[in-house]
Amino acid sequence: DAGVIQSPRHEVTEMGQEVTLRCKPISGHDYLFWYRQTMMRGLELLIYFNNNVPIDDSGMPEDRFSAKMPNASFSTLKIQPSEPRDSAVYFCASSLVDGGYDPYNEQFFGPGTRLTVL
Amino acid sequence: DAKTTQPNSMESNEEEPVHLPCNHSTISGTDYIHWYRQLPSQGPEYVIHGLTSNVNNRMASLAIAEDRKSSTLILHRATLRDAAVYYCILRAPGYNFNKFYFGSGTKLNVKP
Repeated sequence: DAGVIQSPRHEVTEMGQEVTLRCKPISGHDYLFWYRQTMMRGLELLIYFNNNVPIDDSGMPEDRFSAKMPNASFSTLKIQPSEPRDSAVYFCASSLVDGGYDPYNEQFFGPGTRLTVL
Repeated sequence: DAKTTQPNSMESNEEEPVHLPCNHSTISGTDYIHWYRQLPSQGPEYVIHGLTSNVNNRMASLAIAEDRKSSTLILHRATLRDAAVYYCILRAPGYNFNKFYFGSGTKLNVKP
């Protein structure tokens, strides 16, 4: 298995531009997570999906951020318009949960997308 | 959410054991203790988890205090590849089971 795939690996853009980050979860996994990591705030959960449905988006910082999961093998995180404070590493993760509460259901993380907004 | 407290950094010599502590004084009876680590320039990866009993796997051992208010991740023989940030995470059953709170973790430096 190729693991969680994220693209692009690096993105440099200018303030005000739209940014779209992409994620392909591990095949068969029914949960997908988007995280953001900065030096100041550490690793934060932004939103997560179960079977393509957003379950909790309380970590999404503001309306400029949106996430979609049109099918089980693809998700996007969009920032529009982008701002310099959005610069961070964005991770996507996926997991498989049996019966809703499996203490072993580890999350598998992708390599991340390093976003720089100038 | 129950939180964890870890030292900001620790240092170890290669080939020696490392004990990484974690305090979780507000842990509830059904919270699982999970450990993840993040190697440089990579996403976090699962290390080990436990509830009450000590646990061993190929990567590490997890020692859980009898009152469960603290735990220790044990790397039996540290290698240079173990240099990473180690996160201790509590997972409670129910709605928030999948909401990890990573905290600041412990940055482990391994000296050759």
